[in-house]
Amino acid sequence: GQQLNQSPQSMFIQEGEDVSMNCTSSSIFNTWLWYKQDPGEGPVLLIALYKAGELTSNGRLTAQFGITRKDSFLNISASIPSDVGIYFCAGLRGAQKLVFGQGTRLTINP
Amino acid sequence: NAGVTQTPKFQVLKTGQSMTLQCAQDMNHNSMYWYRQDPGMGLRLIYYSASEGTTDKGEVPNGYNVSRLNKREFSLRLESAAPSQTSVYFCASRGTGVPYEQYFGPGTRLTVT
Repeated sequence: GQQLNQSPQSMFIQEGEDVSMNCTSSSIFNTWLWYKQDPGEGPVLLIALYKAGELTSNGRLTAQFGITRKDSFLNISASIPSDVGIYFCAGLRGAQKLVFGQGTRLTINP
Repeated sequence: NAGVTQTPKFQVLKTGQSMTLQCAQDMNHNSMYWYRQDPGMGLRLIYYSASEGTTDKGEVPNGYNVSRLNKREFSLRLESAAPSQTSVYFCASRGTGVPYEQYFGPGTRLTVT
């Protein structure tokens, strides 16, 4: 089945650095979502995007809904240790079906 | 308010055995979902239930059955487990309207030997 192409697959950064990751698809989505998963837990929603071109922030996180509706971007500014985890993008297909990216594993060196 | 709960947390099965994964939510949500998560694959939708009394196939339904027992509970059954079903299984639920947010349970880690 189709999944979204998420990159990079992993990132190793220093505390305080900014982080950028993105997600692309061959098909259009009307809603883009970004989730974070901590070890041993289920994903938790960070940001939801509903309109092409939309830019939304949640604290140090900022996400954008690409103008073509085939991509989305997530930025984390001034990373801190608790940002460690796996970040997933997801596109909503129809009213019910979420399609997930493969995830970006973020590791932070203190 | 426990959110989404799943049982068991861990399970080991032999090939050919059957089992049911349980999921319950206490948020009065209409929609419930079952996903599997494999390394490097993200989450893939197995089945979902848009409302009590309805179920529909997701992306990877083969080898699974589901039951929406009532509004709170949505179970996933493996009739004859196979090693390819070794995975972490997540249940999720969602209310109606905006924002679109699926709330996930803590997961069930299943190993089939």
